[in-house]
Amino acid sequence: DTEVTQTPKHLVMGMTNKKSLKCEQHMGHRAMYWYKQKAKKPPELMFVYSYEKLSINESVPSRFSPECPNSSLLNLHLHALQPEDSALYLCASSYRDNTEAFFGQGTRLTVV
Amino acid sequence: GQSLEQPSEVTAVEGAIVQINCTYQTSGFYGLSWYQQHDGGAPTFLSYNALDGLEETGRFSSFLSRSDSYGYLLLQELQMKDSASYFCAVRGLSGGSYIPTFGRGTSLIVHP
Repeated sequence: DTEVTQTPKHLVMGMTNKKSLKCEQHMGHRAMYWYKQKAKKPPELMFVYSYEKLSINESVPSRFSPECPNSSLLNLHLHALQPEDSALYLCASSYRDNTEAFFGQGTRLTVV
Repeated sequence: GQSLEQPSEVTAVEGAIVQINCTYQTSGFYGLSWYQQHDGGAPTFLSYNALDGLEETGRFSSFLSRSDSYGYLLLQELQMKDSASYFCAVRGLSGGSYIPTFGRGTSLIVHP
């Protein structure tokens, strides 16, 4: 299995909703990442987990809450989002935090 | 911090060769990667250079010169399907963690 799987592929949520994005990999990678990407822009790093511990939080607002239940799973909990949070949310994983990363297909999030 | 520079757009014709340059500034450099992203898709890993020199993978090659803080992606025998955005990404060491940062991306347009 050489894939990073993200669910759902599309999500529309209201500003008062709570939802979660899920990411799964079974490649034995010990680093996992959340990125946010707006149209025509590069991916922006949000969080890095290394060996299931949060190692980097790029000053992301608290309405985004990451969780790493185990070495294969990464969640991103969403609460009270704003319309400007609408974007493609990408999960990635790498063998270690200093090796190349492989991306999932992303969740396209629309906040209404 | 880290910063990368790459051209915003490159155009070429089918069958041609194109080179996309990337210059970077980072502390604790730990490798330069290249990713391809088609519209609506996720970034796909293409290549990774940690040491100086040329890495070849089929029609794609990537080069790194650490002394010049410079790298490039070379695409040969261009095909229409190569039209996409290409991102260089660098890993730098900060606070004991490896921070992956993407350049702003180069839009490659391949004409018949």
